[in-house]
Amino acid sequence: KAGVTQTPRYLIKTRGQQVTLSCSPISGHRSVSWYQQTPGQGLQFLFEYFSETQRNKGNFPGRFSGRQFSNSRSEMNVSTLELGDSALYLCASSLGRGGNEQFFGPGTRLTVL
Amino acid sequence: QKEVEQNSGPLSVPEGAIASLNCTYSDRGSQSFFWYRQYSGKSPELIMSIYSNGDKEDGRFTAQLNKASQYVSLLIRDSQPSDSATYLCARGGAGNNRKLIWGLGTSLAVNP
Repeated sequence: KAGVTQTPRYLIKTRGQQVTLSCSPISGHRSVSWYQQTPGQGLQFLFEYFSETQRNKGNFPGRFSGRQFSNSRSEMNVSTLELGDSALYLCASSLGRGGNEQFFGPGTRLTVL
Repeated sequence: QKEVEQNSGPLSVPEGAIASLNCTYSDRGSQSFFWYRQYSGKSPELIMSIYSNGDKEDGRFTAQLNKASQYVSLLIRDSQPSDSATYLCARGGAGNNRKLIWGLGTSLAVNP
C-alpha cells in the first residue's frame, strides 16, 4: 500500500505571499491531520479533517486554513506568510478519527524569506 | 503541567546496551499510547502502539504501560547507532477532542 504523500517537498516564499500544501493519505484512510514542526517546539497541531469536515483545530491564527476533498486528499493554505511560518509541515493520515494511530508523510519544508 | 512529558535528553548509551525512554501523562482517562521515531530532517515513524497495562514486545522494542502511575516507556534492546534519533511519545484522545497529544521528544544517541 502506498504511504502518505505530500507535495511539494520544498518551498521558498517571501513574506506576504500565500502557499498551498497538498497531502494524499493512505488509501482507505479518511482522517488527515496537519502539524507544524519547528526546532524546539515539537509537533504543533494545526487541524484535522475527517469526511471532508474539520473536526478539530489547534491554536493557530486564521491565516492557516485547510480543506479535504471527497477522495480524502487534503490541502492546507497559509496566507500572508510571516518569517515565523518557516517550518516543516507534516500531514498524517489515520483510518478513523485522529486520536488513533497516525502515519506521516515526508513533510513539506517551507522557508519564508 | 504538560499533558505529555518526556525528558529531552540527550540520552547517550553505548552500542549493544538497553536504552530506556520514559513518558508521563496527566490525563488518567487516556487509553492509547504511541511511540514514534524521528530521524533528523525526516518525518515521525510509528514504531509501537500500546493500549493495555503491561508490556508489548516487537523485535528489539518493548513498550511498557502503567496506567496507575501514568507512565509509558520504551525499551530498545541491543541498541544500534542506527537507533540514534528523537523518540516521540503521544497519547490518544477520545470523544470530540480526538487528537494525539505529543511530548517534545527524547533525543537518543547510540555510541559505537
